Amino acid sequence: EAQVTQNPRYLITVTGKKLTVTCSQNMNHEYMSWYRQDPGLGLRQIYYSMNVEVTDKGDVPEGYKVSRKEKRNFPLILESPSPNQTSLYFCASSLSDADVAYEQYFGPGTRLTVT
Amino acid sequence: KNQVEQSPQSLIILEGKNCTLQCNYTVSPFSNLRWYKQDTGRGPVSLTIMTFSENTKSNGRYTATLDADTKQSSLHITASQLSDSASYICVVGSQGNLIFGKGTKLSVKP
Repeated sequence: EAQVTQNPRYLITVTGKKLTVTCSQNMNHEYMSWYRQDPGLGLRQIYYSMNVEVTDKGDVPEGYKVSRKEKRNFPLILESPSPNQTSLYFCASSLSDADVAYEQYFGPGTRLTVT
Repeated sequence: KNQVEQSPQSLIILEGKNCTLQCNYTVSPFSNLRWYKQDTGRGPVSLTIMTFSENTKSNGRYTATLDADTKQSSLHITASQLSDSASYICVVGSQGNLIFGKGTKLSVKP
């Protein structure tokens, strides 16, 4: 089944403790992206990747890192999480970037709470 | 500033009724317009994608329209079902990335 998977689905952590949220897709997609969703703000892009070893900042990259060493994986790293990073995170993938009318598939989401 | 505005913010309708959700955008350059359905706490799911040259697209009981001249889009839901209760998000593709509206929360009551 074609899908985007994320792990963990739920995470409660403390300020400053490094964490990684994994994202994997099985559709051989070139384009992958991370978003966060906060009440009243809609989805905002954190980072995106056009291909292996090619990543770029989105609208809200501060406090996050990403890597794209393999085509299928795009982990999101929080080196020193803070309470303002408490949010619902989504990974997404597509055959190409959003200028091309290909569907963008979203993962199930990771709900992160930083205390 | 690129923006996608949706109205209404929330809507309650009775099962079986039709409804129309609105989207206005001020995004340039414009590549495409998408409508997504998002159930609470879950990832968005694509309903339709329209390019500049398309002015209507259907997906079952969902019909999206696009007026690129006035920069407006609508999503019409026919014969609503309880399972249509969700947030509906209008999204514009521009310069390789997606610009999201805040969504319309639809509740369908029996």
